[in-house]
Amino acid sequence: EVQLLESGGGLVQPGGSLRLSCAASGFTFSSYAMSWVRQAPGKGLEWVSAISTSGGSTYYADSVKGRFTISRDNSKNTLYMQMNSLRAEDTAVYYCAKDVRDGYNYPPFFDYWGQGTLVTVSS
Amino acid sequence: QSALTQPPSASGSPGQSVTISCTGTSSDVGGYNYVSWYQQHPGKAPKLMIYEVSKRPSGVPDRFSGSKSGNTASLTVSGLQADDEADYYCSSYAGGNNLLFGGGTKLTVL
Repeated sequence: EVQLLESGGGLVQPGGSLRLSCAASGFTFSSYAMSWVRQAPGKGLEWVSAISTSGGSTYYADSVKGRFTISRDNSKNTLYMQMNSLRAEDTAVYYCAKDVRDGYNYPPFFDYWGQGTLVTVSS
Repeated sequence: QSALTQPPSASGSPGQSVTISCTGTSSDVGGYNYVSWYQQHPGKAPKLMIYEVSKRPSGVPDRFSGSKSGNTASLTVSGLQADDEADYYCSSYAGGNNLLFGGGTKLTVL
């Protein structure tokens, strides 16, 4: 059974940093591109970032480019998101999501999602 | 990049069919066959229903179908069931690094 378990969310002040993690199991993690997608409270979905199977290619939404860094450790089956210079508008539930297709594909389509971790940016 | 345009709500009775539209531009929906649809029940993570305009992932019933004409994509749910009541989001590639979502449509089963 595919499982994605996010952690690392919490309350942070504007300008602060957080590191999200997503532990994956139930599939060959290294064979699939992964992404982060967020959802502000009561709002719609927003794609944030994607990473290729090897980690050699990364993609970012303009809203987070230069502030967020996606990475992965295939030996630990874990996806990460380092979030710096956080703003109030970054407040959201952050989901990690797996691509439906194996290999190197862009754009991604997300067939499995975690339950999300809430990031709240407020003073 | 603006979000894709979806109607805020849609409804139908059990057994009926309902179609949800997703309107973009020639730079996103109209320019690529990379439209997908997600179903989200309250408090739950989204679920992929359709990708690449009309492909269904394994496990998604064939009551769900996708199509595209010009700059507008559509999701049709036939044989409506109570469990189909949820929010539905479309998504489209928009070139470069851009992956857009629609604002979502709340589907009510009457």
